[in-house]
Amino acid sequence: NAGVTQTPKFQVLKTGQSMTLQCAQDMNHNSMYWYRQDPGMGLRLIYYSASEGTTDKGEVPNGYNVSRLNKREFSLRLESAAPSQTSVYFCASPAGGEQYFGPGTRLTVT
Amino acid sequence: QKEVEQDPGPLSVPEGAIVSLNCTYSNSAFQYFMWYRQYSRKGPELLMYTYSSGNKEDGRFTAQVDKSSKYISLFIRDSQPSDSATYLCAMTTGTASKLTFGTGTRLQVTL
Repeated sequence: NAGVTQTPKFQVLKTGQSMTLQCAQDMNHNSMYWYRQDPGMGLRLIYYSASEGTTDKGEVPNGYNVSRLNKREFSLRLESAAPSQTSVYFCASPAGGEQYFGPGTRLTVT
Repeated sequence: QKEVEQDPGPLSVPEGAIVSLNCTYSNSAFQYFMWYRQYSRKGPELLMYTYSSGNKEDGRFTAQVDKSSKYISLFIRDSQPSDSATYLCAMTTGTASKLTFGTGTRLQVTL
């Protein structure tokens, strides 16, 4: 039982490049979330999916798209990366009020 | 003004000290309060979870909620170097609702 897994762990992009961050959970949870964490800003919600087939915007959705591929997987896509998207990205899956977090993806956009 | 305020620190204490970490909030609808611990380059992990006002104790950790003052605290007794981490408070209006996080307090426990 791995909980929440994320790939890749690290990524460096040039401005304008695209990439997809992958997240999977094996806890059979309905909801999945994407956060970004920046110094002094805490964890900010980008997008979330309350159930398979649904997605909703969070606090900072601009520049991102998401896909809830199935109950296990929730991906985050950057279509045209910008330096302001340099951050640590966490996927999480909540249950009973607790959020289970993945290990994070460190993304640098130059 | 942020919905949840937390002093970012860093807070440096000697081993064995009692540590007090705090958050204030403005939304009186928050009912569930959590503390997460995050080690460097890792994801946050749940440390304490409380509902409404009162105290909850788990080993060396005590979580305290004062809803009348909109103030929550985490106390760590007999602090250890392994407690060195960032501590984030989080709160929500319901178990199925989104969490609102504080910015985190970085704690360093020195030998």
